[in-house]
Parts: sequence; structure tokens; C-alpha cells
Amino acid sequence: NAGVMQNPRHLVRRRGQEARLRCSPMKGHSHVYWYRQLPEEGLKFMVYLQKENIIDESGMPKERFSAEFPKEGPSILRIQQVVRGDSAAYFCASSPLSGNTIYFGEGSWLTVV
Amino acid sequence: AQTVTQSQPEMSVQEAETVTLSCTYDTSESDYYLFWYKQPPSRQMILVIRQEAYKQQNATENRFSVNFQKAAKSFSLKISDSQLGDAAMYFCAYSYNTNAGKSTFGDGTTLTVKP
Repeated sequence: NAGVMQNPRHLVRRRGQEARLRCSPMKGHSHVYWYRQLPEEGLKFMVYLQKENIIDESGMPKERFSAEFPKEGPSILRIQQVVRGDSAAYFCASSPLSGNTIYFGEGSWLTVV
Repeated sequence: AQTVTQSQPEMSVQEAETVTLSCTYDTSESDYYLFWYKQPPSRQMILVIRQEAYKQQNATENRFSVNFQKAAKSFSLKISDSQLGDAAMYFCAYSYNTNAGKSTFGDGTTLTVKP
């Protein structure tokens, strides 16, 4: 049973470009969460999604950031017009319908140059 | 808002010895979960141990155990018989009720294991 799959593992973008990070949850998991880890810090919650629904986006920056989890395909975290401060590790996690434990992917490292 | 504090940025332990990592949290809720995660140099987040707040018994997983003091809002992790592979960043995390997905993390403790 494959774990949470994230791609790309590493992404380099120039300032002003768009970054798209993908996350495929574990088989049977219908809940997806995105976290951001800035250098030397812990993870910070960004958004919680179920299929075709954003449940909680209280941790998402108000501008430039968006997330979706379509009926088919992976969840996508999209960052428009990236700035240097967006450089971070972005982790996706998933859980089953009634789960109280989440399982993390290996993270996607975004570097903005 | 919930907060999680790890007051030890760095800790070191001799191989085969025991080390305790500290964590305190602040919440007004009575039903919640606490977690310890390990982040090795590969940067993957690995769940080490989980504690339900309604359980008085401290959770254990092989060489890892916790000391959960609900009244004091303290949740320390004890690693016994430390191994070189235990070297990593350790994060304490809190989540309210059954939604473990929306967790609040501490800033981490870097554990070094000396041979």
C-alpha cells in the first residue's frame, strides 16, 4: 500500500512564477492536509480538504495561495507569483474518513530564486 | 488559540542512554490528541507516538514512552536505549478532538546521539 505521494520533491522557481505541488493521498484516505515548514521552524497548518471541498483554510495566506482536491486526481497546492519568502518545505498528509492519525508524505521543497 | 512549546532547541545523548524531550502546550479543551513526530535528515515526518487526552495511561511504543501530565499540560518523550538512528529533529504536536489533521506543532528539538 503506497504511502502519501508528493511531487515534485524539489522545485525551483524564479520570483513571479507559479508553483504547483501535487499530493496523492494514501489509498482509502479521503482527507488531505497541507502544511508548510519554513527553515528552522515547525510545521504550520495551511488547509484541510476533502474531495471537491475545502473544509478549513484558516492557515492559508490570503493572497496567491490556493488549494484544490478534485473528484479525480491529486490534490494541488498552487502558489502564484512566488516570492523568496515562499521558499519552504510543503508537506501533505492524509487520513481516512474517521481517522485520528494523519500520515505525511515526504514533502516538496520549493526554492524561489 | 492552542500553542505548543518545546523549550529545548537541542539535546544530546550517549548511545544506549536515556533522554527526555520536553513539551508543554496550552489549550482550554478537554478532549484532544498529542503527538511526537520524528524528522530525520531525510526530512520525512514520521509519527513516533500518540496520546489521547482522555486516557490516563501513558502511551508507549517500544523504546519510546511519554509522560503525560494533563493538569500541568506537559507531554514529554522518553527515549530509552538510544540508538544512532534516533538522531533527528523531534516535534511535539497537538490536535483538537478527532481532527488530527489540523495540528499545532512546536518548533522542534534537535537530538544528537553520540557513539
